[in-house]
Amino acid sequence: QQQVKQSPQSLIVQKGGISIINCAYENTAFDYFPWYQQFPGKGPALLIAIRPDVSEKKEGRFTISFNKSAKQFSLHIMDSQPGDSATYFCAASKDGGSQGNLIFGKGTKLSVKP
Amino acid sequence: NAGVMQNPRHLVRRRGQEARLRCSPMKGHSHVYWYRQLPEEGLKFMVYLQKENIIDESGMPKERFSAEFPKEGPSILRIQQVVRGDSAAYFCASSPGAGGYTFGSGTRLTVV
Repeated sequence: QQQVKQSPQSLIVQKGGISIINCAYENTAFDYFPWYQQFPGKGPALLIAIRPDVSEKKEGRFTISFNKSAKQFSLHIMDSQPGDSATYFCAASKDGGSQGNLIFGKGTKLSVKP
Repeated sequence: NAGVMQNPRHLVRRRGQEARLRCSPMKGHSHVYWYRQLPEEGLKFMVYLQKENIIDESGMPKERFSAEFPKEGPSILRIQQVVRGDSAAYFCASSPGAGGYTFGSGTRLTVV
């Protein structure tokens, strides 16, 4: 049972464009939703995270939008740059993320063309 | 602070051998988590440990896999009698407590 579904699997965006990646979850007990960025040969690095008491969180060019009723959340990358080319993973967990059992989506490979 | 250190970075084992993966958490972090990543897949939680205690091993295969985090030294993920299906990237993360996970660069295990 895939508890976190991520789409699209791959995404090509022109430099300066907006990259949008979507995730849907099933377990209503999830209360912590982070996004990770992973470059080849490296471990995932936390980009931004949100809790269900807010509908949007912005950090620089990265924004998470959260729709609790639809059980969906998305990552928007504004003014996408070639350096943003990486694989992005959404994740979800219970207990505010304190217990470490993050459930990851399958990832989106983003390519930003110059 | 060197971050979460994993070694070796690459490990090749023949079927039936044992694999030992090591993880040194960030300074001040007492919580360690192991994840496995298959090609083109997301990370799958395996086990959560604190010093000398296994807190949650719900993601660990029932056989051949074990993990420890001793009072002194790194956390060890041990895979006995490896099979080709164990080939994957194994990531360790650490945290000081509630969230704030930092991942290491992983160990890529290849079973030949």
